[in-house]
Amino acid sequence: EVQLLESGGDLVQPGGSLRLSCAASGFTFSTYVMHWVRQAPRKGLEWVSAISGSGGRTYYADSVKGRFTISRDNSKSTLYLQMNSLRAEDTAVYHCVKDVGTNVYYMDVWGKGTTVTVSS
Amino acid sequence: QSVLTQPPSVSGAPGQRVTISCTGSSSNIGAGYDVHWYQQLPGTVPKLLIYGDTNRPSGVPDRFSGSKSGTSASLAITGLQAEDEADYYCQSYDSSMSGHVVFGGGTKVTVL
Repeated sequence: EVQLLESGGDLVQPGGSLRLSCAASGFTFSTYVMHWVRQAPRKGLEWVSAISGSGGRTYYADSVKGRFTISRDNSKSTLYLQMNSLRAEDTAVYHCVKDVGTNVYYMDVWGKGTTVTVSS
Repeated sequence: QSVLTQPPSVSGAPGQRVTISCTGSSSNIGAGYDVHWYQQLPGTVPKLLIYGDTNRPSGVPDRFSGSKSGTSASLAITGLQAEDEADYYCQSYDSSMSGHVVFGGGTKVTVL
């Protein structure tokens, strides 16, 4: 069974940093593009970032570019999101999501998410 | 403001047909990029409903269907059921956006 388990969410002050992790299992992790998608309280889905299977190509939403860094460790089947200079508007549930293919296309497996709250 | 525009809400009585529009532009849907749809039931994570404009993953009832024309796509639900009450999101690829992945703002479907 394909599973994605996020961790690392926490309460952090504005300007602070946080690193999210996503442990993947049940599929050949290194093959697929992986995404982070967030959902602020009572809001819609917002795509955050994606990374190719090898890690050589990364993509970011304008709202996080320069502040967030996506990476992966294929030897550990783990996806990461380093979040710096956090703002109140980054408060959301962050989902780790598997793409169906080796290029950015659509998403077929979603993790339950980890909650990030940015507040003083 | 989402790149893909959806109506905030639609409603219908059980058994009726409802449609949800997803309006884009020449850099996404109008450029021919595929549209995908996700259903998010209350308190759950999104689930893939339609991929590649019109295709249903295994297990998705055939009362859900997708279509696309020009710069817009639509999701239709025929024979609306109480368990269809959920939020629905369209997603596509945008050549002008740095990250390329774009979602619609979401549509809440209410079964009256």
